Amino acid sequence: GQNIDQPTEMTATEGAIVQINCTYQTSGFNGLFWYQQHAGEAPTFLSYNVLDGLEEKGRFSSFLSRSKGYSYLLLKELQMKDSASYLCAVRDQDSGYSTLTFGKGTMLLVSP
Amino acid sequence: GAGVSQSPSNKVTEKGKDVELRCDPISGHTALYWYRQSLGQGLEFLIYFQGNSAPDKSGLPSDRFSAERTGGSVSTLTIQRTQQEDSAVYLCASSPDAGSMNTEAFFGQGTRLTVV
Repeated sequence: GQNIDQPTEMTATEGAIVQINCTYQTSGFNGLFWYQQHAGEAPTFLSYNVLDGLEEKGRFSSFLSRSKGYSYLLLKELQMKDSASYLCAVRDQDSGYSTLTFGKGTMLLVSP
Repeated sequence: GAGVSQSPSNKVTEKGKDVELRCDPISGHTALYWYRQSLGQGLEFLIYFQGNSAPDKSGLPSDRFSAERTGGSVSTLTIQRTQQEDSAVYLCASSPDAGSMNTEAFFGQGTRLTVV
């Protein structure tokens, strides 16, 4: 089974940096994903980590520590359009097939 | 198709009626997932298909819910005798091969179900 925890909501100011944390407990780990979801829209893929370390993609970076069951999403130079829900998801490889389980999401509000 | 397509986009139904939700995954994607999202909530896993088989049905809330996938492509989620608590957005996602590591899931726009 899986247990994924992330903060319910966060606030930040335009131009600032924000870090969204995610902790997980799974029976078989096969990768961690971050998705962005704007209100009323489908989730869209942001990043993927399977090995320990930092993956950077433009203003967004994602970090993974498998031994600690911990990841974070780092957003730099925040823009108003970054106001959205950020979903942490873990792929759990067990019994020869994979499931993809999502956390409840972190609602980020960026203010001027 | 270019992306995951779901139909209908909106469905209003009377309590007690049956509904069928359809998902057309991206061509060639073998893995298909159904999720449910209530207002302001996270994604609740319902069922996962690898090809036509469903190795994980653990998320289906009750025996009123069922899903099938034919030809390794289109999937339908059926809810029988709908209840008001079934009201939610039902999201479908597909990925090329769930067994491969760097394969993100692509989401459809969802079906907003309202049971009145």
